[in-house]
Amino acid sequence: DGGITQSPKYLFRKEGQNVTLSCEQNLNHDAMYWYRQDPGQGLRLIYYSQIVNDFQKGDIAEGYSVSREKKESFPLTVTSAQKNPTAFYLCASSINSQGAEKLFFGSGTQLSVL
Amino acid sequence: SQQGEEDPQALSIQEGENATMNCSYKTSINNLQWYRQNSGRGLVHLILIRSNEREKHSGRLRVTLDTSKKSSSLLITASRAADTASYFCATVPVSGGYNKLIFGAGTRLAVHP
Repeated sequence: DGGITQSPKYLFRKEGQNVTLSCEQNLNHDAMYWYRQDPGQGLRLIYYSQIVNDFQKGDIAEGYSVSREKKESFPLTVTSAQKNPTAFYLCASSINSQGAEKLFFGSGTQLSVL
Repeated sequence: SQQGEEDPQALSIQEGENATMNCSYKTSINNLQWYRQNSGRGLVHLILIRSNEREKHSGRLRVTLDTSKKSSSLLITASRAADTASYFCATVPVSGGYNKLIFGAGTRLAVHP
């Protein structure tokens, strides 16, 4: 069964703590993306990666970091520098590394601050 | 930066009626895409229309694109209760890189049995 798996579904962060959100895909897609969604709003791009070992900042990269060591995996770390991390985080992938067309999304991770 | 803006923000209709959602954007685009999101879930791609296309159909969905007005519409015909969801338009701007898909705030559609 091909798709994108995000874990955990719910995550809680304490003050000053870094947390890592997992995203794994078995679609053999080259490009992967991280978006943040706040209540009642659209998605904002955090980071994207067109190919292994390469990634680019999106519109709201401050306070976040990523890595792309394997084609299948694109973990997102929310650092303590991100002062307002509470949001719904969505990972996506697309087959075309040259353009963001027909993104496939995971089911999301809800991050809350304790 | 939010490029697309959907209108209306919320729409409530009866089963069997048609639902029309509109999207406006600000800069020239490579393509425009529509996605659906059920509450608390990820998004699902519905349809993509390129800047040189004017209309596209997929099942009960019809999408139009007017690049002169920088606007698009999504029509869902003969709606069903299962169509209840949020619908987002997303654009790939010509400038800024083809990997930057920019989403609007969405239209919340409620279809009542």
